[in-house]
Amino acid sequence: QKEVEQNSGPLSVPEGAIASLNCTYSDRVSQSFFWYRQYSGKSPELIMSIYSNGDKEDGRFTAQLNKASQYVSLLIRDSQPSDSATYLCAARWGGAGNMLTFGGGTRLMVKP
Amino acid sequence: DVKVTQSSRYLVKRTGEKVFLECVQDMDHENMFWYRQDPGLGLRLIYFSYDVKMKEKGDIPEGYSVSREKKERFSLILESASTNQTSMYLCATGREGAYGYTFGSGTRLTVV
Repeated sequence: QKEVEQNSGPLSVPEGAIASLNCTYSDRVSQSFFWYRQYSGKSPELIMSIYSNGDKEDGRFTAQLNKASQYVSLLIRDSQPSDSATYLCAARWGGAGNMLTFGGGTRLMVKP
Repeated sequence: DVKVTQSSRYLVKRTGEKVFLECVQDMDHENMFWYRQDPGLGLRLIYFSYDVKMKEKGDIPEGYSVSREKKERFSLILESASTNQTSMYLCATGREGAYGYTFGSGTRLTVV
């Protein structure tokens, strides 16, 4: 069974620090990876996607992918209290329906 | 931007009622999904559809059915609502290829 694993947290970081969120996946055929941010009581919002090994940067966010080790990470630089949310990692396995498998999410708390 | 609209933000229904949750998207995406999200259990896939009139069971289809008569609309039906179906229901859409999903704003359903 294809699985995506995340530490549920909470991960607590001080304002201005780098938050590092990690995700591992079980299947080597995974092709695409996504990070979603979900505020309490709201729906998930796509913030990053990554398809190739290495780093991808978008503003304060950097996604890192290592297919050999089967992990994906999200770094948030200069963390702000508004970044406090649950972050969901997802992997696409391919096939009809463009199926994503989601991890359980990591709750991030950024303290002022 | 893709818009995914769920008909109700909050819904309260009685045990045994038949409940319809509607999801409409405006970007011609092939794939549509229904999830429920409960604390500690993450996102669980109920049903998905990759074409009009096509439907596939997800991980927890029991007690639910779906309908997709038009490409833009995907309905989730609770045949006879029960209290254990109290949850946040999330609709998502995606197009074929290496793309993430876009989620609707969610419907928080309470069955009393």
